[in-house]
Amino acid sequence: AQTVTQSQPEMSVQEAETVTLSCTYDTSESNYYLFWYKQPPSRQMILVIRQEAYKQQNATENRFSVNFQKAAKSFSLKISDSQLGDTAMYFCAFSLNQAGTALIFGKGTTLSVSS
Amino acid sequence: NAGVMQNPRHLVRRRGQEARLRCSPMKGHSHVYWYRQLPEEGLKFMVYLQKENIIDESGMPKERFSAEFPKEGPSILRIQQVVRGDSAAYFCASSRLAGQEELFFGEGSRLTVL
Repeated sequence: AQTVTQSQPEMSVQEAETVTLSCTYDTSESNYYLFWYKQPPSRQMILVIRQEAYKQQNATENRFSVNFQKAAKSFSLKISDSQLGDTAMYFCAFSLNQAGTALIFGKGTTLSVSS
Repeated sequence: NAGVMQNPRHLVRRRGQEARLRCSPMKGHSHVYWYRQLPEEGLKFMVYLQKENIIDESGMPKERFSAEFPKEGPSILRIQQVVRGDSAAYFCASSRLAGQEELFFGEGSRLTVL
C-alpha cells in the first residue's frame, strides 16, 4: 500500500523569505504522480503543483517549485518570496498512474506567513 | 465554467438522524471522489464513483455510509444514524479522467453531530 508522510505539522516564515515543506512517500510502483495541494482558511483545496514520476526535471510554477528525489522517495515543496496569501494548510498527495485510483494524502503542514 | 458544487455547506444533525451531502461535479467531469477530513487530519479517501457505478469504495465505513452518482443529478453521500464521530468536513472532488488528472475540489460540507 502507498503512504504519504508529512513530518512537519506546522511551519512559519516571514514575508519575502523562502520556506521548504517536506514530504516523503512509500510505493513499490515506478510510475506515479505527486501533487501539492493548498487549503486556505476558506477550505477549498487548490492544486499548487504536480510532478510526474517519469520526469526527472523538477516542476516549477511561479514561486512554487519542487525537489523531487525519486530514489529517496522525497517530494518537497519550496515557496520563494512568501506572501501573506500563502498562509494555508499544504497537503502532499500521491496517485498511481492507473484509471480509477484515488489520491492518497499526507496529514498536512500548516504554514503561517507573517509580516 | 462552474466549479465543483457541494451542498449544504454546513449541516447539523442529532445522533441517530440521517445526513445527505450533495456534490455536482464540474461540467464535463464524470469521475467523482468523496473524501473525509477529521479535525487536524489529512483527507481520507472514501469512495470513487462514475455515473451509475461505484468504482472503489475501499475507504467507506462498512455500515451506515453509502454513496451514489445517478445518471441524472448530483452525487450523494448518505450517512444513516449519525454518531458524534461522523462530525467532519466532507469534500467532493471531480476529474475529467482518472488517475493522473488533477482533482478539482468543492468547498466541502461540514457535518456537526450533536
